[in-house]
Amino acid sequence: DVVMTQSPLSLAVTLGQPASISCRSTQSLVYSDGNTYLNWFQQRPGQSPRRLIYKVSNRDSGVPDRFSGSGSGTDFTLKISRVEAEDVGVYYCMQTTHWPWTFGQGTKVEVK
Amino acid sequence: EVQVVDSGGGLVQPGGSLRLSCAASGFTFSNHWMGWVRQAPGKGLEWVANIKRDGSEKFYVDSVKGRFTISRDNAENSLYLQMNSLRAEDTAVYYCVSPSAWGQGTLVTVSS
Repeated sequence: DVVMTQSPLSLAVTLGQPASISCRSTQSLVYSDGNTYLNWFQQRPGQSPRRLIYKVSNRDSGVPDRFSGSGSGTDFTLKISRVEAEDVGVYYCMQTTHWPWTFGQGTKVEVK
Repeated sequence: EVQVVDSGGGLVQPGGSLRLSCAASGFTFSNHWMGWVRQAPGKGLEWVANIKRDGSEKFYVDSVKGRFTISRDNAENSLYLQMNSLRAEDTAVYYCVSPSAWGQGTLVTVSS
């Protein structure tokens, strides 16, 4: 199985400051069709996860543009340009290139 | 509005069975893969099973193979997860998942 490793596992950020989460996979996430199926999810306290980013860098509808995704191959990053109070929660990367689809351990983002 | 509503969780004894259901709306159900993801109490996310849009292919994480069966009814815009031979380690919130939306989750507790 592809193991997804996130770092850091927790992050305390001052409001208005940037935040960055790394996600590394044990295998390349480039699929045979040329696409890289790496997603980012946000899970706010007490809520279901929601997808923020798909195929590395595409924002889902309604996702603020302060969220951005980048990376390639086995190394990916989620950036929040200016953290807001509503961004508190746990962030997961997830690959859907190889079965079984697998998630990172999650990164807890808190506001200082 | 894309919506998935999952249901059917509850308390069941080890070795017992439970059937989860998911009702989808707001998108063309038959055009998309669907899946189930679970989250054990206080833990991260685990993809459990997937089914292709026409039901022709199904994928399971190793820990549930032979015990869980995913199915769908495209005429009714519904997804199901039949869970047999349940174990304590299957205790989790189970989410019905579409490419762009997750259900609110339904809690399955396996305990005597």
